[in-house]
Amino acid sequence: ETGVTQSPTHLIKTRGQQVTLRCSSQSGHNTVSWYQQALGQGPQFIFQYYREEENGRGNFPPRFSGLQFPNYSSELNVNALELDDSALYLCASSSDRGEWYEQYFGPGTRLTVT
Amino acid sequence: KQEVTQIPAALSVPEGENLVLNCSFTDSAIYNLQWFRQDPGKGLTSLLLIQSSQREQTSGRLNASLDKSSGRSTLYIAASQPGDSATYLCAVLGGSEKLVFGKGTKLTVNP
Repeated sequence: ETGVTQSPTHLIKTRGQQVTLRCSSQSGHNTVSWYQQALGQGPQFIFQYYREEENGRGNFPPRFSGLQFPNYSSELNVNALELDDSALYLCASSSDRGEWYEQYFGPGTRLTVT
Repeated sequence: KQEVTQIPAALSVPEGENLVLNCSFTDSAIYNLQWFRQDPGKGLTSLLLIQSSQREQTSGRLNASLDKSSGRSTLYIAASQPGDSATYLCAVLGGSEKLVFGKGTKLTVNP
């Protein structure tokens, strides 16, 4: 069983640029959630995708957008990058089958905005 | 709005000590509670998941309890080792199916 993978591992961008982060969900999972973790803080929920549709969004501006593909992999896009967007971005996959709703996390993408 | 608090923020103990990490949450309407471990600059490793109908879960030297009515959970680590040094995060899953995290407890186990 393949776990959750994310790419790239690290990324350095300049303020105002755009970035795309990618996530492959665990086999058999149809739900992907994205979280932002600033240094010294707990992860904050950005949004969730279920069967290619957005299924809930946290308190993040519209320049944070996403996609989920038919194979349930997902992208997080951030436009007009700001210095405060520097963080670890975590993706988690889960399944709507069963009652556990356990989320499995990938290794994260470290984004630095200069 | 769900809020999760973890106490203490940091903890330093000698090797071999038993220790307890605390987590509290404001809204008892949760599906489950998860404890995670995070090493510096790394992703999250799930340690234990407790369903809302359960009182505790155990895995090796780890034991997590849940008191949903009082909005509290504890993670008990027995016979701590230097390899246990990491940040421990508590998160609750509510009706919105998003995890709400605490800020974590940074644990250092000294040899």
